[in-house]
Amino acid sequence: QKEVEQNSGPLSVPEGAIASLNCTYSDRGSQSFFWYRQYSGKSPELIMSIYSNGDKEDGRFTAQLNKASQYVSLLIRDSQPSDSATYLCAVKGDWGKLQFGAGTQVVVTP
Amino acid sequence: NAGVTQTPKFRILKIGQSMTLQCTQDMNHNYMYWYRQDPGMGLKLIYYSVGAGITDKGEVPNGYNVSRSTTEDFPLRLELAAPSQTSVYFCASSYSLGDLPGNTIYFGEGSWLTVV
Repeated sequence: QKEVEQNSGPLSVPEGAIASLNCTYSDRGSQSFFWYRQYSGKSPELIMSIYSNGDKEDGRFTAQLNKASQYVSLLIRDSQPSDSATYLCAVKGDWGKLQFGAGTQVVVTP
Repeated sequence: NAGVTQTPKFRILKIGQSMTLQCTQDMNHNYMYWYRQDPGMGLKLIYYSVGAGITDKGEVPNGYNVSRSTTEDFPLRLELAAPSQTSVYFCASSYSLGDLPGNTIYFGEGSWLTVV
């Protein structure tokens, strides 16, 4: 059974600080990894995709991938109240099927 | 451009009733998916389709059926509803499988189903 694991949180982060989210996956053959943001009552929204080892930056978001250690992380710099949401890690398998982690709730406190 | 449209948005079913969740996309996407999300959990794949006439089971298919008679539509049928099927259902679609810029998986807004 392929698994994607995330810390459940909630992760409380002061406004302006860095939020660090981690995700591990069990399928060593996985090649495509995604971070989704989900506000309460809404559908998941793609914020980052990463396919190669190393860092990928997009605005205040940085995704990090280490295939040897089978983990993916997401850093949110200068956290804002609007970043308060649940962040879902997803790994793409065959036929585009996504395997999701349970999500990490982030709460940005003023 | 409507994207992925799901109906109904909210529905209450009684135990043993049946219903169909509708999903339509207007982007000519080949690949379509149904996920369910229970409270505090990630999404789990119910069924998927790689094109009209072709469907297959995902991780949690029991109690559900699908069909894909056209490229645009991918309805999810719940037979003999049970309280365990109380969940939020998301339909999703993508054009291709490649990891190319712009080849995003699009999600519908979700359908909230309660079985009582």
